[in-house]
Amino acid sequence: NAGVTQTPKFQVLKTGQSMTLQCAQDMNHEYMSWYRQDPGMGLRLIHYSVGAGITDQGEVPNGYNVSRSTTEDFPLRLLSAAPSQTSVYFCASRYTGTSSSYEQYFGPGTRLTVT
Amino acid sequence: KNEVEQSPQNLTAQEGEFITINCSYSVGISALHWLQQHPGGGIVSLFMLSSGKKKHGRLIATINIQEKHSSLHITASHPRDSAVYICAVRSWGASGSRLTFGEGTQLTVNP
Repeated sequence: NAGVTQTPKFQVLKTGQSMTLQCAQDMNHEYMSWYRQDPGMGLRLIHYSVGAGITDQGEVPNGYNVSRSTTEDFPLRLLSAAPSQTSVYFCASRYTGTSSSYEQYFGPGTRLTVT
Repeated sequence: KNEVEQSPQNLTAQEGEFITINCSYSVGISALHWLQQHPGGGIVSLFMLSSGKKKHGRLIATINIQEKHSSLHITASHPRDSAVYICAVRSWGASGSRLTFGEGTQLTVNP
């Protein structure tokens, strides 16, 4: 299994540009999520999905869109990039079900700089 | 006050030392995770526990549910243990199960 994969690893955008961060997993996990990691702060949840066709907002959703058309893929879209979105982005996945204690698997991260 | 507090924020040790990283939380939880983030940025799960103690090699994680506290211990530390260690707790909120992360502890082990 490749686990959770993310592309690109690095990206530089100009203010106002749009882009999509890709995330895919091959473990048949229902739950997928996007986090951002900023200096001096813990990881913060942007959006999450509990299955294909179902998405919901996390703590910091503004400026980001997601969709989940398949179980495997969960892309994150920045519609009009802003310097405040400079961060490291992590995609993660896990099983759902009756237990909320399933192990979380993280992708390698995407380092995004918005100038 | 953050729901998850880690201490210390930074820790420098000499190779071979016994290391303890602490995590305190203020909410009821169903599980606590310890994660490791290496300088390259990737995050891996070390432990997931809801009671007692778990051990993998030189790593030991303990949790005291009554005191809302967990510790991560590293015995015989090695420079390759240098990383950021993150505590995260799983709890139930208005929108279902959620994971709340501490800010992390930067560990540097010198040879």
